[in-house]
Amino acid sequence: DAGITQSPRYKITETGRQVTLMCHQTWSHSYMFWYRQDLGHGLRLIYYSAAADITDKGEVPDGYVVSRSKTENFPLTLESATRSQTSVYFCASSESEREQFFGPGTRLTVL
Amino acid sequence: AQTVTQSQPEMSVQEAETVTLSCTYDTSESNYYLFWYKQPPSRQMILVIRQEAYKQQNATENRFSVNFQKAAKSFSLKISDSQLGDTAMYFCAYWSGSARQLTFGSGTQLTVLP
Repeated sequence: DAGITQSPRYKITETGRQVTLMCHQTWSHSYMFWYRQDLGHGLRLIYYSAAADITDKGEVPDGYVVSRSKTENFPLTLESATRSQTSVYFCASSESEREQFFGPGTRLTVL
Repeated sequence: AQTVTQSQPEMSVQEAETVTLSCTYDTSESNYYLFWYKQPPSRQMILVIRQEAYKQQNATENRFSVNFQKAAKSFSLKISDSQLGDTAMYFCAYWSGSARQLTFGSGTQLTVLP
């Protein structure tokens, strides 16, 4: 079934390790986004991309790196994971930039 | 920066009844959009309804409707004939035409009781 997928769905890692969360969409949407969801904060934007090879910072970008070499993929990398990065991560895509469609989320635990 | 406030952390409603979830936002912009998203226990974020700020008419999607009060900066969601499947966390979100980013409220957990 087409749409937006994220992998892995669950990940446990240790402090200091590099982790990459994958996001893939089949709609050919121009825009893609990464959010994190923490209790009491709703969703906060980490990074977004308007097209392949175009990325920009959101509200909470520190400690994260993104790339977008292909329109359909938008991986998020934690270069050296910290416990404060334990969260649920959502990828989203949009053609209009405004109306965003979300993936199922990845629950990341950093020990 | 825009802020979105959902003042009701939790609400409950009896099946088949009507419930209204509140949302207020702070902005000086004229070009913006408002959304309600639903997040059931499956964790999937589902778009429920959208409202363009330039439209005076309130948006409606089946049992879901909004009361958009632009001057008061209020955007409430009304769910009619509540169903058990409506049990979820509901997020209000504001899209800024200048910042070009979506800002979410902290959510309201709605429980529909049988």
